[in-house]
Amino acid sequence: DAKTTQPNSMESNEEEPVHLPCNHSTISGTDYIHWYRQLPSQGPEYVIHGLTSNVNNRMASLAIAEDRKSSTLILHRATLRDAAVYYCILRAYNAGNMLTFGGGTRLMVKP
Amino acid sequence: SQTIHQWPATLVQPVGSPLSLECTVEGTSNPNLYWYRQAAGRGLQLLFYSVGIGQISSEVPQNLSASRPQDRQFILSSKKLLLSDSGFYLCAWMGGRMRRDTQYFGPGTRLTVL
Repeated sequence: DAKTTQPNSMESNEEEPVHLPCNHSTISGTDYIHWYRQLPSQGPEYVIHGLTSNVNNRMASLAIAEDRKSSTLILHRATLRDAAVYYCILRAYNAGNMLTFGGGTRLMVKP
Repeated sequence: SQTIHQWPATLVQPVGSPLSLECTVEGTSNPNLYWYRQAAGRGLQLLFYSVGIGQISSEVPQNLSASRPQDRQFILSSKKLLLSDSGFYLCAWMGGRMRRDTQYFGPGTRLTVL
């Protein structure tokens, strides 16, 4: 399975934008880029996903490099409730549609 | 709407005792079902997944087993728990009438083996 590399932790100030990077240099042409986040003592929740084009939804934006070897999750205005571990995951479509979680990035938001 | 339930929420068990964790999904049919484990301070490890009743795939060798007796029920079991089985166990589902590219996670069971 293709792997992702993320910084262990990042800090942000409340109300400021946050850019969470992810490297996936061995991505294949059929791998989708998914982002999930996990708040303390909860199960992960879906944030956003994309294949080639940038994506926007109510939670975040996903910017995908032209060569698809990296991507960035963008939180436009960080709030204290955005403090969580953010996982960047490559997902190949198969019968199981499995997700392989790495270590993720722990985002800390300062008031 | 779709919901996923797990119980119990917390569990403390002695080494060598049996285990049964249950996960049920409501509001969808024929979902893919998954069991993950998260050790303290670590990422999630996929243990089992199921694409249908009676169909179980194991991702890692261990003393745990899984069963899917009904379409929306997924059970994680062990005959004899080890200390290393402690962790946060999460069930997830995907598919049905909802988005087929997103996994939805339950609230989890925190297991402590003493």
